[in-house]
Amino acid sequence: QVQLVESGGGVVQPGGSLRLSCAASGFTFSSYGMHWVRQAPGRGLEWVALIRYDGRNKYHADSVKGRFTISRDNSKNTLYLQMNSLKPEDTAVYYCAKDRDGDFVVDYWGQGTLVTVSS
Amino acid sequence: DIQMTQSPSSLSASVGDRVTITCRASQSISSYLNWYQQKPGKAPKLLIYAASSLQSGVPSRFSGSGSGTDFTLTINSLQPEDFATYYCQQSYSTTTFGGGTKVEIK
Repeated sequence: QVQLVESGGGVVQPGGSLRLSCAASGFTFSSYGMHWVRQAPGRGLEWVALIRYDGRNKYHADSVKGRFTISRDNSKNTLYLQMNSLKPEDTAVYYCAKDRDGDFVVDYWGQGTLVTVSS
Repeated sequence: DIQMTQSPSSLSASVGDRVTITCRASQSISSYLNWYQQKPGKAPKLLIYAASSLQSGVPSRFSGSGSGTDFTLTINSLQPEDFATYYCQQSYSTTTFGGGTKVEIK
C-alpha cells in the first residue's frame, strides 16, 4: 500500500531555514508527480508545490516562490522541501502527497509534519 | 489565479439527511474539480475527481456534479463517519483549494 512519511519539521526562528523530507513506498515513486500541501492551525488547505515525476518541471505557489524549493531523489524514493527565509505565516502542518495522474489531483497523503516559525 | 469559493462554510445535519455542498470557481475550469474529506487530526482523503468520478473505495452515497464554474458535492443518507470538513480543489490551472465546509452533527 502507498505510504508517505514526512520528517524534518520543528521549531525555527523567523528568517531561518528547514528541510522537510518525505519517504515514499508502495508505488513506483519515479513514475508520479509529488506535492507539498500545508495547513495552518485551524485553517484550510494550501497547495505549496508540485514536482513532476522526473524532476524536470516544478511549480511553486506564489506565497512561497523564491523561498521554498521542491526537489526529489528518485534513487532514494524521497521528496524534499527546502524552506528558506521562513515567516511566522509559514507555520503549518506540511503534507507530502502523491499526484494521481499528472493532473494535480492528490490521491494519497502523508500524515504531515508540523513546522512552527516563532522567536 | 483561480479562486474557489465554497458554501456554506458550515452546516448542521442529522444522520440520514441528504447534504449538498457547493463550490464556485472565479472562472471556468471545465470539469477540473475535485473533492476531499478531512477529519480532525487526519490527512485529507480524495473522494471525487474530474467533477463526478468516484475515487476507488469511496462509498456510492458520495456524488459530484457540475462543470464550468459551479459544482456540487452531494452526500446521500449522511452516515456518522461523514461528519468532517470537505474541500473542493480546482486542477485546471496549477491548483487551488476552496475554504472548506464543516459538516457537523445536528
